[in-house]
Amino acid sequence: EVQLLESGGGLVQPGGSLRLSCVASGFTFSSYAMSWVRQAPGKGLEWVSVISDSGGTTFYADSVKGRFVISRDNSKKTLYLQMNSLRVEDTAVYYCAKVDYDIYAMDVWGQGTTVTVSS
Amino acid sequence: QSALTQPASVSGSPGQSITISCTGTNSDVGGYNYVSWYQQHPAKAPKLMIHDVTKRPSGVSNRFSGSKSGNTASLTISGLQTGDEADYYCSSYTSSTAWVFGGGTKLTVL
Repeated sequence: EVQLLESGGGLVQPGGSLRLSCVASGFTFSSYAMSWVRQAPGKGLEWVSVISDSGGTTFYADSVKGRFVISRDNSKKTLYLQMNSLRVEDTAVYYCAKVDYDIYAMDVWGQGTTVTVSS
Repeated sequence: QSALTQPASVSGSPGQSITISCTGTNSDVGGYNYVSWYQQHPAKAPKLMIHDVTKRPSGVSNRFSGSKSGNTASLTISGLQTGDEADYYCSSYTSSTAWVFGGGTKLTVL
């Protein structure tokens, strides 16, 4: 079964840092790009970042550029999101998703991990 | 990086059909045939329902269909069922940010 399992969420003060992880199973992780998408409480989905299958290419939404870093360890089948200089508006459920460039869509999603930025 | 525009809510009765629109620009919806639609039930992860404007992943009911005209894409659900009640999001690949989502549409099945 294809699965993605996020972890690392929690409560952090404004200006703080947090690293999210997403462990993949059931598919060849190293063959697919991966993405992070977030959802603020009561709000819609917001694309955050994407990383290529090799990890050599990354893109970010303007709202997180310069503060967040996406990375992956294909030997561990794990995707990461390092979040620095966190703001109250970064509060959200963060989902990792498998990207299929054959269909330019995110076809598998994790269950999400909650990040709360508050003093 | 403006979100795609969707109606906030739509409703229909069981057995009826509804259509949700998704309006973007030439840089996203109008520029690529890479529009996808996601269904999200409360407190659940999104589920891919349509990709490449019109195509359904394996296992998705053929009651769900997609289309596009110019800068506007649409999702149509026919034969509405109570289990279809959920939030629906469109998404498009873009020339600038990789992906952009719509604001979401809450479907109520009366």
